[in-house]
Amino acid sequence: DARVTQTPRHKVTEMGQEVTMRCQPILGHNTVFWYRQTMMQGLELLAYFRNRAPLDDSGMPKDRFSAEMPDATLATLKIQPSEPRDSAVYFCASGGDRTTTNEKLFFGSGTQLSVL
Amino acid sequence: GESVGLHLPTLSVQEGDNSIINCAYSNSASDYFIWYKQESGKGPQFIIDIRSNMDKRQGQRVTVLLNKTVKHLSLQIAATQPGDSAVYFCAESYSGNTPLVFGKGTRLSVIA
Repeated sequence: DARVTQTPRHKVTEMGQEVTMRCQPILGHNTVFWYRQTMMQGLELLAYFRNRAPLDDSGMPKDRFSAEMPDATLATLKIQPSEPRDSAVYFCASGGDRTTTNEKLFFGSGTQLSVL
Repeated sequence: GESVGLHLPTLSVQEGDNSIINCAYSNSASDYFIWYKQESGKGPQFIIDIRSNMDKRQGQRVTVLLNKTVKHLSLQIAATQPGDSAVYFCAESYSGNTPLVFGKGTRLSVIA
Protein backbone atom coordinates (compact mmCIF):
# COMPACT_ATOMS: atom_id res chain seq x y z
CA ASP A 1 0.00 0.00 0.00
CA ALA A 2 1.84 3.10 -1.25
CA ARG A 3 2.10 5.93 1.24
CA VAL A 4 4.15 8.97 2.14
CA THR A 5 6.46 8.28 5.06
CA GLN A 6 7.60 11.00 7.43
CA THR A 7 10.15 10.82 10.23
CA PRO A 8 10.27 11.53 13.08
CA ARG A 9 6.60 11.44 14.11
CA HIS A 10 7.32 13.60 17.12
CA LYS A 11 10.20 15.90 17.96
CA VAL A 12 10.76 17.92 21.11
CA THR A 13 13.72 20.23 21.10
CA GLU A 14 15.05 23.33 22.73
CA MET A 15 15.13 26.75 21.18
CA GLY A 16 18.25 27.24 19.07
CA GLN A 17 18.66 23.60 18.13
CA GLU A 18 18.66 22.29 14.58
CA VAL A 19 15.69 20.21 13.50
CA THR A 20 15.63 17.94 10.45
CA MET A 21 12.43 16.38 9.18
CA ARG A 22 12.44 13.72 6.50
CA CYS A 23 9.95 12.55 3.95
CA GLN A 24 9.85 9.62 1.56
CA PRO A 25 7.32 10.39 -1.19
CA ILE A 26 5.29 7.73 -2.94
CA LEU A 27 7.45 5.95 -5.49
CA GLY A 28 6.91 7.47 -8.90
CA HIS A 29 5.46 10.76 -7.67
CA ASN A 30 7.36 13.74 -9.03
CA THR A 31 5.96 16.57 -6.92
CA VAL A 32 6.66 16.96 -3.22
CA PHE A 33 5.17 19.56 -0.92
CA TRP A 34 5.87 20.70 2.62
CA TYR A 35 2.94 22.13 4.59
CA ARG A 36 2.81 23.42 8.14
CA GLN A 37 -0.34 23.12 10.22
CA THR A 38 -1.23 25.24 13.23
CA MET A 39 -4.52 25.97 14.92
CA MET A 40 -4.30 29.64 14.02
CA GLN A 41 -3.13 29.44 10.42
CA GLY A 42 -4.37 26.06 9.29
CA LEU A 43 -2.41 24.36 6.50
CA GLU A 44 0.21 26.66 5.04
CA LEU A 45 2.42 25.81 2.08
CA LEU A 46 6.11 26.15 2.87
CA ALA A 47 7.79 24.81 -0.26
CA TYR A 48 7.38 22.41 -3.13
CA PHE A 49 9.45 20.54 -5.66
CA ARG A 50 8.88 19.00 -9.04
CA ASN A 51 11.33 16.45 -10.35
CA ARG A 52 13.50 17.37 -7.34
CA ALA A 53 13.80 21.00 -8.44
CA PRO A 54 12.50 23.61 -6.00
CA LEU A 55 9.63 25.55 -7.58
CA ASP A 56 8.53 27.80 -4.78
CA ASP A 57 9.72 28.27 -1.23
CA SER A 58 8.23 31.69 -0.65
CA GLY A 59 6.22 30.34 2.28
CA MET A 60 9.35 29.58 4.28
CA PRO A 61 11.30 31.94 6.53
CA LYS A 62 14.48 31.89 4.47
CA ASP A 63 16.82 32.81 7.27
CA ARG A 64 16.13 29.63 9.23
CA PHE A 65 14.29 27.13 7.02
CA SER A 66 15.69 25.12 4.16
CA ALA A 67 14.15 22.39 2.02
CA GLU A 68 16.00 19.98 -0.24
CA MET A 69 15.54 16.79 -2.23
CA PRO A 70 18.87 14.97 -2.25
CA ASP A 71 17.28 12.25 -4.39
CA ALA A 72 13.87 11.19 -5.66
CA THR A 73 13.15 9.13 -2.55
CA LEU A 74 14.02 11.72 0.08
CA ALA A 75 12.91 15.24 0.89
CA THR A 76 14.19 17.13 3.92
CA LEU A 77 13.05 20.20 5.79
CA LYS A 78 15.53 21.80 8.17
CA ILE A 79 15.11 24.51 10.74
CA GLN A 80 18.23 26.13 12.14
CA PRO A 81 18.00 27.66 14.66
CA SER A 82 14.56 26.55 15.82
CA GLU A 83 12.26 28.90 17.73
CA PRO A 84 9.17 28.27 19.88
CA ARG A 85 6.96 29.80 17.17
CA ASP A 86 8.03 26.96 14.87
CA SER A 87 6.03 24.52 16.99
CA ALA A 88 3.49 22.94 14.63
CA VAL A 89 2.75 19.80 12.68
CA TYR A 90 4.75 19.60 9.46
CA PHE A 91 3.26 17.57 6.65
CA CYS A 92 4.88 16.25 3.53
CA ALA A 93 2.69 15.42 0.55
CA SER A 94 3.44 13.98 -2.85
CA GLY A 95 1.59 14.13 -6.12
CA GLY A 96 1.47 12.12 -9.33
CA ASP A 97 3.47 12.29 -12.48
CA ARG A 98 1.26 14.71 -14.38
CA THR A 99 2.49 17.88 -15.95
CA THR A 100 0.54 20.03 -13.56
CA THR A 101 0.66 20.23 -9.80
CA ASN A 102 -3.05 20.70 -9.22
CA GLU A 103 -3.80 17.07 -8.78
CA LYS A 104 -4.70 15.33 -5.57
CA LEU A 105 -1.94 15.06 -3.05
CA PHE A 106 -1.20 12.21 -0.69
CA PHE A 107 -0.14 13.27 2.77
CA GLY A 108 2.15 11.68 5.30
CA SER A 109 1.25 11.40 8.96
CA GLY A 110 3.24 14.50 9.83
CA THR A 111 5.99 15.45 12.24
CA GLN A 112 4.73 17.11 15.40
CA LEU A 113 7.40 19.58 16.43
CA SER A 114 7.58 21.22 19.83
CA VAL A 115 10.27 23.82 20.42
CA LEU A 116 10.68 24.71 24.07
CA GLY B 1 -4.80 37.07 -3.25
CA GLU B 2 -6.62 33.79 -3.39
CA SER B 3 -8.34 32.54 -0.28
CA VAL B 4 -10.52 29.65 0.67
CA GLY B 5 -12.85 29.93 3.61
CA LEU B 6 -15.52 27.92 5.34
CA HIS B 7 -18.94 29.10 6.42
CA LEU B 8 -19.12 26.90 9.53
CA PRO B 9 -16.20 25.98 11.75
CA THR B 10 -18.10 23.18 13.56
CA LEU B 11 -20.97 20.91 12.61
CA SER B 12 -22.78 18.36 14.77
CA VAL B 13 -25.05 15.78 13.16
CA GLN B 14 -26.99 12.78 14.33
CA GLU B 15 -25.74 9.39 13.21
CA GLY B 16 -27.61 8.33 10.10
CA ASP B 17 -28.42 11.86 9.01
CA ASN B 18 -26.86 13.55 6.01
CA SER B 19 -24.10 16.12 6.52
CA ILE B 20 -23.38 19.15 4.40
CA ILE B 21 -20.08 20.98 4.76
CA ASN B 22 -19.71 24.25 2.91
CA CYS B 23 -16.77 26.13 1.49
CA ALA B 24 -16.45 29.50 -0.22
CA TYR B 25 -13.63 30.39 -2.54
CA SER B 26 -12.62 33.81 -3.75
CA ASN B 27 -10.65 33.15 -6.92
CA SER B 28 -12.93 32.82 -9.90
CA ALA B 29 -10.00 31.45 -11.90
CA SER B 30 -9.77 28.36 -9.70
CA ASP B 31 -10.35 25.28 -11.81
CA TYR B 32 -9.72 22.39 -9.45
CA PHE B 33 -11.24 21.70 -6.04
CA ILE B 34 -10.70 18.94 -3.57
CA TRP B 35 -11.93 17.77 -0.18
CA TYR B 36 -9.78 16.17 2.48
CA LYS B 37 -10.66 14.49 5.76
CA GLN B 38 -8.29 14.74 8.69
CA GLU B 39 -8.67 12.55 11.75
CA SER B 40 -6.91 13.33 14.99
CA GLY B 41 -3.19 12.63 14.80
CA LYS B 42 -3.24 11.84 11.10
CA GLY B 43 -2.51 13.56 7.86
CA PRO B 44 -5.27 14.77 5.52
CA GLN B 45 -6.86 12.00 3.46
CA PHE B 46 -8.28 12.53 0.00
CA ILE B 47 -12.05 12.24 -0.21
CA ILE B 48 -13.16 13.56 -3.58
CA ASP B 49 -12.22 16.15 -6.16
CA ILE B 50 -13.93 18.06 -8.94
CA ARG B 51 -12.88 20.21 -11.87
CA SER B 52 -14.51 23.44 -12.86
CA ASN B 53 -16.09 21.91 -15.98
CA MET B 54 -18.37 19.88 -13.71
CA ASP B 55 -20.94 20.94 -11.12
CA LYS B 56 -21.42 17.63 -9.35
CA ARG B 57 -19.44 14.53 -8.67
CA GLN B 58 -20.36 11.50 -6.60
CA GLY B 59 -18.31 9.01 -4.69
CA GLN B 60 -19.11 6.40 -2.14
CA ARG B 61 -21.55 8.13 0.27
CA VAL B 62 -20.06 11.51 -0.68
CA THR B 63 -21.06 14.09 -3.23
CA VAL B 64 -19.28 17.31 -4.08
CA LEU B 65 -21.25 20.19 -5.56
CA LEU B 66 -19.65 23.16 -7.26
CA ASN B 67 -21.48 26.41 -7.89
CA LYS B 68 -19.19 28.64 -9.90
CA THR B 69 -21.71 31.46 -10.04
CA VAL B 70 -21.45 32.10 -6.32
CA LYS B 71 -18.03 30.49 -5.89
CA HIS B 72 -19.28 27.87 -3.49
CA LEU B 73 -18.29 24.28 -2.89
CA SER B 74 -20.03 21.75 -0.70
CA LEU B 75 -19.43 18.23 0.51
CA GLN B 76 -22.40 16.07 1.23
CA ILE B 77 -22.01 12.91 3.29
CA ALA B 78 -24.92 10.50 3.23
CA ALA B 79 -25.93 8.45 6.28
CA THR B 80 -23.24 9.98 8.45
CA GLN B 81 -21.40 7.48 10.63
CA PRO B 82 -19.29 7.92 13.79
CA GLY B 83 -16.21 7.21 11.67
CA ASP B 84 -16.95 10.35 9.69
CA SER B 85 -16.07 12.49 12.71
CA ALA B 86 -13.06 14.52 11.64
CA VAL B 87 -11.98 17.90 10.33
CA TYR B 88 -12.81 18.47 6.69
CA PHE B 89 -10.79 20.78 4.46
CA CYS B 90 -11.56 22.13 1.06
CA ALA B 91 -8.73 23.26 -1.18
CA GLU B 92 -8.43 24.92 -4.56
CA SER B 93 -5.90 25.55 -7.24
CA TYR B 94 -5.89 27.43 -10.53
CA SER B 95 -3.96 28.28 -13.64
CA GLY B 96 -3.25 24.61 -14.21
CA ASN B 97 -0.04 24.68 -12.29
CA THR B 98 -0.37 26.00 -8.77
CA PRO B 99 -0.27 24.25 -5.42
CA LEU B 100 -3.41 23.58 -3.44
CA VAL B 101 -4.55 26.36 -1.13
CA PHE B 102 -6.43 25.03 1.86
CA GLY B 103 -9.33 26.45 3.81
CA LYS B 104 -9.33 26.56 7.62
CA GLY B 105 -11.39 23.40 8.07
CA THR B 106 -14.74 22.36 9.53
CA ARG B 107 -14.99 19.96 12.43
CA LEU B 108 -17.73 17.38 11.97
CA SER B 109 -18.99 15.65 15.12
CA VAL B 110 -21.33 12.71 14.76
CA ILE B 111 -23.70 12.12 17.65
CA ALA B 112 -24.51 8.46 18.20
